[in-house]
Parts: sequence; structure tokens; C-alpha cells
Amino acid sequence: QSALTQPASVSGSPGQSITISCTGTNSDIGVYNFVSWYQQHPGKAPKLIIYDVRKRPADVSNRFSASKSGNTASLTISGLQAEDEAHYYCSSYTSRSTLIFGGGTKVTVL
Amino acid sequence: EVQLLESGGGLVRPGGSLRLSCTVSGLVFQRYAMSWVRQVPGKELEWVSVISSSGGTTYYGDAVTGRFSISRDNSRNTVYLQMNSLRADDTAVYYCAKVHYWYDNSGYSPPDYWGQGTLVTVSP
Repeated sequence: QSALTQPASVSGSPGQSITISCTGTNSDIGVYNFVSWYQQHPGKAPKLIIYDVRKRPADVSNRFSASKSGNTASLTISGLQAEDEAHYYCSSYTSRSTLIFGGGTKVTVL
Repeated sequence: EVQLLESGGGLVRPGGSLRLSCTVSGLVFQRYAMSWVRQVPGKELEWVSVISSSGGTTYYGDAVTGRFSISRDNSRNTVYLQMNSLRADDTAVYYCAKVHYWYDNSGYSPPDYWGQGTLVTVSP
């Protein structure tokens, strides 16, 4: 099963907003709300920042928001900060009872 | 504080076997499904396997089906990944991760808590 499709890289200046897309199919994102997003800094484990399409864990900044439309999920980072520079991955449950991840997006703060 | 600690990684020859362990603390382990996810350094995450809280239900990714086996010991707060017939493309950091929540017959959510990973290298 192919990975969910994410842009390889996205960049923005401090204070700006950026959006990362994650495109799947009607066997995963299109039919399930089990969509999560992760932030991963170099050499570190992934950290959950969004679950159930748009919910934030208590320790995650409200500068992170997310949504879903059809087969595509999106993550928006508002008020971009230097500490947001990292890789971001989406993930979804699938109709085969498996999980699938996106290819990852490198966010660069200019 | 929830903590997941993987062990058992290392260097193994192609065709060999290895068993990874992940010991969990800070939660009631027997209540939660657990998963393994791997990542080639510098590459994307790849889901490997999941096991339900009781151990009665397991699923695997296409790349490891028939070669890897997930299991758990709720008395030891530990989940395992038995890896057989290892190949060079199994080389990766293997993460143990707690499934956020599991609904019988309705699916499960991607992980919330992750360990720091253990490196498996398959090389002659």
C-alpha cells in the first residue's frame, strides 16, 4: 500500500502561517476520522500533535490546527516559530485494519 | 509519566532472526493496544504491526507479513516483535508505540506515545 502523499518541503518566515496537505484515498482518509499528525525533530521520536482529524493533545500549542476534506487532510501552523522547524507526518487508519503514514514534510523556517 | 523502552536491536545477518522488546510504564498496560513502527534513518515512518490489549487480535504491514510476529505479556507490561527471515531492507529504527484508542469492530487510532527506538541493522 502506497504512503499518503505529502509535499516534500514547505517553508515560511517567522510569524507566517503554512499548510501541509496529506492526500489519501477512499480507503483511508476519505472514510475514517482516525487521522493523526506528528512532529519529529532530528534524532527524536515522533510527537503526536493532532488526532481524530482536528483534536489537539493538552500539551500542544493552539498554533497547530487541522482539518479534512474528502480524501485530503491538512495541517496548519500559525505564527510560525523557529522551534517548528521539523519533519511532519500524517497517519490514517485504513479499511484493511492497518495504519498508513505519509511520506513526510520538512518544514523550514526562513 | 508514560514511558516506553525498547530493547533487543543490533546487527544481524540476512536471513537471521531478532526479537525486540518494549517495556511500558506509567499506565495500565493491559488496557491498551500497542504497535510497532519503523523508520529508515532520514526516511519516512512505516507502520509494522499492532496488537490488541488482550493480544487476541493482530495486524501486520504488507512488507512484514509472514516474517514478523507481534505478541505481548501483560504480566510483564511488555510487547514483543519477533523478526524472522530478516532482509537488508528491514534495516531501520524500530519504535514501540501505544495505540491512542481501539474500538472493537470499528478500527483504532494512530499512536499517541512513542519510545525512543532501537536500531536494527541487517548486513552480511
